Amino acid sequence: GAVVSQHPSRVICKSGTSVKIECRSLDFQATTMFWYRQFPKQSLMLMATSNEGSKATYEQGVEKDKFLINHASLTLSTLTVTSAHPEDSSFYICSARDQGGEDGYTFGSGTRLTVV
Amino acid sequence: QKEVEQDPGPLSVPEGAIVSLNCTYSNSAFQYFMWYRQYSRKGPELLMYTYSSGNKEDGRFTAQVDKSSKYISLFIRDSQPSDSATYLCAMSAGYGNKLVFGAGTILRVKS
Repeated sequence: GAVVSQHPSRVICKSGTSVKIECRSLDFQATTMFWYRQFPKQSLMLMATSNEGSKATYEQGVEKDKFLINHASLTLSTLTVTSAHPEDSSFYICSARDQGGEDGYTFGSGTRLTVV
Repeated sequence: QKEVEQDPGPLSVPEGAIVSLNCTYSNSAFQYFMWYRQYSRKGPELLMYTYSSGNKEDGRFTAQVDKSSKYISLFIRDSQPSDSATYLCAMSAGYGNKLVFGAGTILRVKS
């Protein structure tokens, strides 16, 4: 089945620095990828839809300048958390759908970000 | 009212029991329905994917969709301790559209 690789799985950074998270579709092309945020014991909250070759579409309340999304190729989308603060600490997950497949959306393994 | 309602549980069952997990939704435009399993600190893993109404079976898992009632279910037969996880229902209105998730149900299967 479709595989989505997400890196890093865990990152600790200092407040004020930026962190980049990568999401790759390994065996399929994904024109659209999605970025989610998940707080402890809560469901996934969609942050933005990443479109290859165009600007991302952000959900209401998500700061575009803080969460920069780049989808430069059909297999790679990146999320950069800029000027991170402790309140940005969370579990970030990406997903993609194999356009040629018949399965649902495949998720990455997630990135646990801790800002100290 | 949320678009997708799911009882967060926790639901505790003995090993070997049949588990029934459910979600209701309000948006009649939803056409694609999914169930995901998520272990702690891991990404969601797709269990079942169905389009429109009907049943789908895969091993110990059966997914049911009743669009007339706006109700979907996931049944797990012969539950195992390894099935202990959070189960998330998700749905979308169109192919490739964004998913709307339920809150997730915590399932605990005791040996």
